[in-house]
Amino acid sequence: NAGVMQNPRHLVRRRGQEARLRCSPMKGHSHVYWYRQLPEEGLKFMVYLQKENIIDESGMPKERFSAEFPKEGPSILRIQQVVRGDSAAYFCASSPKVGYNSPLHFGNGTRLTVT
Amino acid sequence: TQLLEQSPQFLSIQEGENLTVYCNSSSVFSSLQWYRQEPGEGPVLLVTVVTGGEVKKLKRLTFQFGDARKDSSLHITAAQPGDTGLYLCAGPRGGSEKLVFGKGTKLTVNP
Repeated sequence: NAGVMQNPRHLVRRRGQEARLRCSPMKGHSHVYWYRQLPEEGLKFMVYLQKENIIDESGMPKERFSAEFPKEGPSILRIQQVVRGDSAAYFCASSPKVGYNSPLHFGNGTRLTVT
Repeated sequence: TQLLEQSPQFLSIQEGENLTVYCNSSSVFSSLQWYRQEPGEGPVLLVTVVTGGEVKKLKRLTFQFGDARKDSSLHITAAQPGDTGLYLCAGPRGGSEKLVFGKGTKLTVNP
């Protein structure tokens, strides 16, 4: 009964490179959320996706960031031309249904370091 | 401005002590969730409170949702080193499906 799987756990990129973060939700979960966490700042919502659809991307920067959740395969958070300020822990969460009280099941995150 | 304010930000206590951490907002929430996050891992849901005034117990942890549904507290009795972690409260924002999180309380329980 695998939980939410994120890879890689650690990712180092030089400024200007691309970062691809992958997230496989729990089995049976069709709702995926991406959050970014910086020290002392808590978790910040980025984007909410269902299969093949972006539902809410209000927390995602308009430039350089994109997300997808294809019909087959994991959800991908893509950051183009990374800058030092992108260094953070990126967490993916999934839930089986939509609703205010649906708990989120989080992965263990990808820690991105931009050098 | 932070929608959910958590206090204290840091708390360091000795094993066996009791403690309370708080989650406050000026907005009404339909529900609030509490998560615990350990270093290097993702947050794990502890409880969801839905009804104003509701009290839920999880072993030595007691969660309360304020009558006006604007605040919540977490009380830990006889804390143990295994309780060490970052405690986060979260609630749905304005009818949307996304959860907003407080910055958390970082608890350290010393043996």
